[in-house]
Amino acid sequence: QQQVKQSPQSLIVQKGGISIINCAYENTAFDYFPWYQQFPGKGPALLIAIRPDVSEKKEGRFTISFNKSAKQFSLHIMDSQPGDSATYFCAGPSGTYKYIFGTGTRLKVLA
Amino acid sequence: SQTIHQWPATLVQPVGSPLSLECTVEGTSNPNLYWYRQAAGRGLQLLFYSVGIGQISSEVPQNLSASRPQDRQFILSSKKLLLSDSGFYLCAWSGPGHSGNTIYFGEGSWLTVV
Repeated sequence: QQQVKQSPQSLIVQKGGISIINCAYENTAFDYFPWYQQFPGKGPALLIAIRPDVSEKKEGRFTISFNKSAKQFSLHIMDSQPGDSATYFCAGPSGTYKYIFGTGTRLKVLA
Repeated sequence: SQTIHQWPATLVQPVGSPLSLECTVEGTSNPNLYWYRQAAGRGLQLLFYSVGIGQISSEVPQNLSASRPQDRQFILSSKKLLLSDSGFYLCAWSGPGHSGNTIYFGEGSWLTVV
């Protein structure tokens, strides 16, 4: 099965700092790269996504950077806030109808 | 706008008892539907997906089954629960057609098998 490898597994950042989470994929046919945010006891929610025709997308404090040649995409959270403390998942299409998810990164932002 | 409803939110079931989790989607037609399981502090494991009524694909051999009796209804079932079935179950949907559409999750159902 095509893999999506996410790192780091956990991350602690000071308030106001930059959080960076990375994801590496194998399937070069991937055409959609989303990041999901999950709070405890809740379902994951789409945070931001990018298609491979652009190298970067920014929405507020959240930025996706995409490196097609390296088959990597990353999530940057600028000016991290305690409210950003959550688990983040990257994902990629696997086959025609499915998605596979990374193993998740547990982010804690210290006040 | 589209919404997804999943219930019950929490349940505690004894080993060997049956299970039925239900999920419905509103505001869209012919969605792709998914059941995921998330063990505590772990990633998302795809259990079943469906691209149409009565069409179910299973990803992992296990004690569970899924059914899609109506276009926007997806049910996860078990005849006899095992302790290892405990976890957080998530229903999700995406637009019809191939992957590359955003997948949207429900609020999840916590299952504890005792």
